[in-house]
Amino acid sequence: NAGVTQTPKFQVLKTGQSMTLQCAQDMNHEYMSWYRQDPGMGLRLIHYSVGAGITDQGEVPNGYNVSRSTTEDFPLRLLSAAPSQTSVYFCASSYEAIYGYTFGSGTRLTVV
Amino acid sequence: GDSVTQMEGPVTLSEEAFLTINCTYTATGYPSLFWYVQYPGEGLQLLLKATKADDKGSNKGFEATYRKETTSFHLEKGSVQVSDSAVYFCALTEEAGYQKVTFGTGTKLQVIP
Repeated sequence: NAGVTQTPKFQVLKTGQSMTLQCAQDMNHEYMSWYRQDPGMGLRLIHYSVGAGITDQGEVPNGYNVSRSTTEDFPLRLLSAAPSQTSVYFCASSYEAIYGYTFGSGTRLTVV
Repeated sequence: GDSVTQMEGPVTLSEEAFLTINCTYTATGYPSLFWYVQYPGEGLQLLLKATKADDKGSNKGFEATYRKETTSFHLEKGSVQVSDSAVYFCALTEEAGYQKVTFGTGTKLQVIP
């Protein structure tokens, strides 16, 4: 089925560990974004991309890196996990923002 | 900067009751407005949208009208069902630039039989 695929669905990390959250879409969307969702704070933009090879920072980029080598993939890297990064992470893609975004099902990350 | 304000939740309604979830926004240009819905354990899904003033978005019995004069985009449904229990997010995106999406904090709806 067409859509946005995120892996893994759940992950527990120890403080200081690194990992990559995967995101792939098969809709040929140029726009892709990473959000984190925390209780009472809605969704906050971490990083975004407007096409292959082009990325930029959102509201809360510290501690995260991204790259966009292909249109399909937009991985999010946690460099050195901290308990403050415990959250649910969503990847989203869009042909154009005025048409709305398609979201993945999320990755629930716990840092202990 | 842009912002979206939603009514605080949770909202608890009996089945077949009328639903209104208020949303107001602040934007510098002429944004497009959206409602997304998030069911438990899932990602957000686009519910409806409106791209210009006086447009009405509708889907699955839900409606919202883009009111530029009151900078509002209230979500309504005439008769809610238990299956409508979810978190609802109001959002906007500006026309220019990256077209960043600004989300409200979400309103949880619980419908009881």
